[in-house]
Amino acid sequence: GAVVSQHPSRVICKSGTSVKIECRSLDFQATTMFWYRQFPKQSLMLMATSNEGSKATYEQGVEKDKFLINHASLTLSTLTVTSAHPEDSSFYICSARKGGGSYNEQFFGPGTRLTVL
Amino acid sequence: RKEVEQDPGPFNVPEGATVAFNCTYSNSASQSFFWYRQDCRKEPKLLMSVYSSGNEDGRFTAQLNRASQYISLLIRDSKLSDSATYLCVETGFQKLVFGTGTRLLVSP
Repeated sequence: GAVVSQHPSRVICKSGTSVKIECRSLDFQATTMFWYRQFPKQSLMLMATSNEGSKATYEQGVEKDKFLINHASLTLSTLTVTSAHPEDSSFYICSARKGGGSYNEQFFGPGTRLTVL
Repeated sequence: RKEVEQDPGPFNVPEGATVAFNCTYSNSASQSFFWYRQDCRKEPKLLMSVYSSGNEDGRFTAQLNRASQYISLLIRDSKLSDSATYLCVETGFQKLVFGTGTRLLVSP
């Protein structure tokens, strides 16, 4: 149990386009989902925390109007990178926490590699 | 100063060797600590939790030193499959804070 999927696994797009990444908890209800970004040879950095049915909480330095997060159901959260630019190229990983679970216990998706040309 | 600091490596060791990684953290209020393993272009996977009393899981031993604010991971009898990046993680303010990772390369 506790499987998290992401789609797409890889995306290449032109500068200026928007890209949507989906994160799904397949066999449990995720009251909270987290979005991370990882640049090459750097650590995973938390971008935002989203709770089902409410607005996401963004970390300092992350533009909420550029990285739109929607967590409309207990099994799906989406991250939309609007007007993507080459500097947004990165590895985006989501994680999900079960309802009632500790915030330490996060189940990670396989990640989405975004390349903006 | 970074919240979690690790030597990036790489640590190149032969099969069967014992290797140890250290990690330091800056938040003295951190409650929990973990080691994750990340393979190239993959998501991180929980390896083990870290306790002050020490935690052993097979060939892996983790230790926390709160006074000095560092965490260690010891791998005995290294296998080729242990080659990966090991991420030190602490929990602060209800979120996971990751180190940049230490890369381990185990060679035949």
